[in-house]
Amino acid sequence: AQSVTQLDSQVPVFEEAPVELRCNYSSSVSVYLFWYVQYPNQGLQLLLKYLSGSTLVKGINGFEAEFNKSQTSFHLRKPSVHISDTAEYFCAVTRGAGTALIFGKGTTLSVSS
Amino acid sequence: GAGVSQTPSNKVTEKGKYVELRCDPISGHTALYWYRQSLGQGPEFLIYFQGTGAADDSGLPNDRFFAVRPEGSVSTLKIQRTERGDSAVYLCASSLTGGTSDEQFFGPGTRLTVL
Repeated sequence: AQSVTQLDSQVPVFEEAPVELRCNYSSSVSVYLFWYVQYPNQGLQLLLKYLSGSTLVKGINGFEAEFNKSQTSFHLRKPSVHISDTAEYFCAVTRGAGTALIFGKGTTLSVSS
Repeated sequence: GAGVSQTPSNKVTEKGKYVELRCDPISGHTALYWYRQSLGQGPEFLIYFQGTGAADDSGLPNDRFFAVRPEGSVSTLKIQRTERGDSAVYLCASSLTGGTSDEQFFGPGTRLTVL
């Protein structure tokens, strides 16, 4: 079975500071990894995804993530956050050979001035 | 429309009642998914449709939950004899072909409250 662990439930940071949201996964098969963002009162939106190839993946809004197979991690990073980045962030992995996603519990990123 | 839409946005019902939640996927998307998101949790998979058929319904918690997609477009999630534990946000997503690497586009969700 596959699972996703987001190590921090809440991450408070100041504007323009760097941030890292941590995600670890477990799987006995090859996986595809995703980060989704959920802004207040909005639906989930894809930030970035890792399918294959380069382990450093760049997404929208200046976010990037690095796939580390040996550590089974897929941490999300941004060098300088904005107030508008305040949202819930979800790491997800595909479920076995199918296409449904397995999500972590989410990390609330709160950016203050 | 341009995105996935879900109706109603909010539904309040009483324990024991029957409810239907509707999802309109992006036009042309053959794959449709239902997820349930409880407070403080990530979305949990319920069921996946490829066209009109349920390709994977292993996430449905029990036989009170049922979903249909009769014409391969709009889908309805049906919950019988609702329980307080069914209270959650029900999310619908669609993707173009259902391929493993396809992006799933999510709707805004239906917030179900069972009193």
